[in-house]
Amino acid sequence: GQQLNQSPQSMFIQEGEDVSMNCTSSSIFNTWLWYKQEPGEGPVLLIALYKAGELTSNGRLTAQFGITRKDSFLNISASIPSDVGIYFCAGQPGMNRDDKIIFGKGTRLHILP
Amino acid sequence: DGGITQSPKYLFRKEGQNVTLSCEQNLNHDAMYWYRQDPGQGLRLIYYSQIVNDFQKGDIAEGYSVSREKKESFPLTVTSAQKNPTAFYLCASALAAGSEAFFGQGTRLTVV
Repeated sequence: GQQLNQSPQSMFIQEGEDVSMNCTSSSIFNTWLWYKQEPGEGPVLLIALYKAGELTSNGRLTAQFGITRKDSFLNISASIPSDVGIYFCAGQPGMNRDDKIIFGKGTRLHILP
Repeated sequence: DGGITQSPKYLFRKEGQNVTLSCEQNLNHDAMYWYRQDPGQGLRLIYYSQIVNDFQKGDIAEGYSVSREKKESFPLTVTSAQKNPTAFYLCASALAAGSEAFFGQGTRLTVV
């Protein structure tokens, strides 16, 4: 079946640094979604992307829908301690918009003091 | 307020007992999902439902059962056949199968 390859698996960065993570697939996707999960909570939707090439920002977060429709990235600028968590990419694959979304395995963001 | 509610937040059960986790949404969403998350791991799909009175197995359905008798509700039963049931369970709903999903706060199940 279709899979999303999310990288890196984990990141250790200094407060104030910028962060970049991405998600790739061998198949095309119709929608790309980025979620953040804090410990003990459910994932929260950060950004949704619907068109190839689309670039969307949400505060310090920026995400792009790759032009090939097979990838997406999420950038976080000037990281702060509350950015800690697991970031999941998700996508709606294929040509059939009734197909359910699938999730990557997550990128764990750790911020060093 | 509209949202998706899971209850309880924490649940303890003895080994060999069935247990049912609740998931309710008032968002008028057609699609609902159950995921399992183990420590340090991603989300694994247990069951999903695209419409009331219909549901399909996900990647790890063995030892679990669901029902979708009402649009608002998608309860998950963890049966005694599930060999390792201790985990964090997440329910989600979406307007339709391919739409962005919104998650509940999760239920942490501990079987002793």
